[in-house]
Amino acid sequence: GQNIDQPTEMTATEGAIVQINCTYQTSGFNGLFWYQQHAGEAPTFLSYNVLDGLEEKGRFSSFLSRSKGYSYLLLKELQMKDSASYLCAPLDSNYQLIWGAGTKLIIKP
Amino acid sequence: GAVVSQHPSRVICKSGTSVKIECRSLDFQATTMFWYRQFPKQSLMLMATSNEGSKATYEQGVEKDKFLINHASLTLSTLTVTSAHPEDSSFYICSAAGSQDRVSYEQYFGPGTRLTVT
Repeated sequence: GQNIDQPTEMTATEGAIVQINCTYQTSGFNGLFWYQQHAGEAPTFLSYNVLDGLEEKGRFSSFLSRSKGYSYLLLKELQMKDSASYLCAPLDSNYQLIWGAGTKLIIKP
Repeated sequence: GAVVSQHPSRVICKSGTSVKIECRSLDFQATTMFWYRQFPKQSLMLMATSNEGSKATYEQGVEKDKFLINHASLTLSTLTVTSAHPEDSSFYICSAAGSQDRVSYEQYFGPGTRLTVT
């Protein structure tokens, strides 16, 4: 079966760093997306990894290990506006995104 | 670039009526469009995938006669919820993917439509 595992909720302090982990099992693999979703809004694209390693994009970085079925999203210099759900979504052999429930990130001042 | 619009953003309808939701890719040609439903505090649930000019592929458990999808052009897909019931109340989100994308399989999401059936 196909499965995504992320923590349900995390709390961090403004200005700090937080790492959101994701483990996945899919039928085939064609890369992994991270999306951000604010409450009541649609998801927005953050990153896409298809090769192993770290991709850095401003305050956000994403890491992938295909052999371990593992990815993480690293958020630096946290801001209050980063309070949102973060969705890890691998692309399976049919190029279909597999969605988990996401991680709700709460930022405290 | 890669903007997807959705209309209406909110709709309230009476039980038994039908509601049409439009999804448009504004600045690119969407070869594939996806329709999702999301209940509060739950993950996105893919309802169907549609390619321009062909019939939509529905996910297991989604009634194709109830959720009619039309993808008539490379920039427009519609979802019609027929004979809506209160349990159809949800957040409906469309997304679009085009072959010209920088990341080929990235999905660009519309802002969503909140449907309330009374």
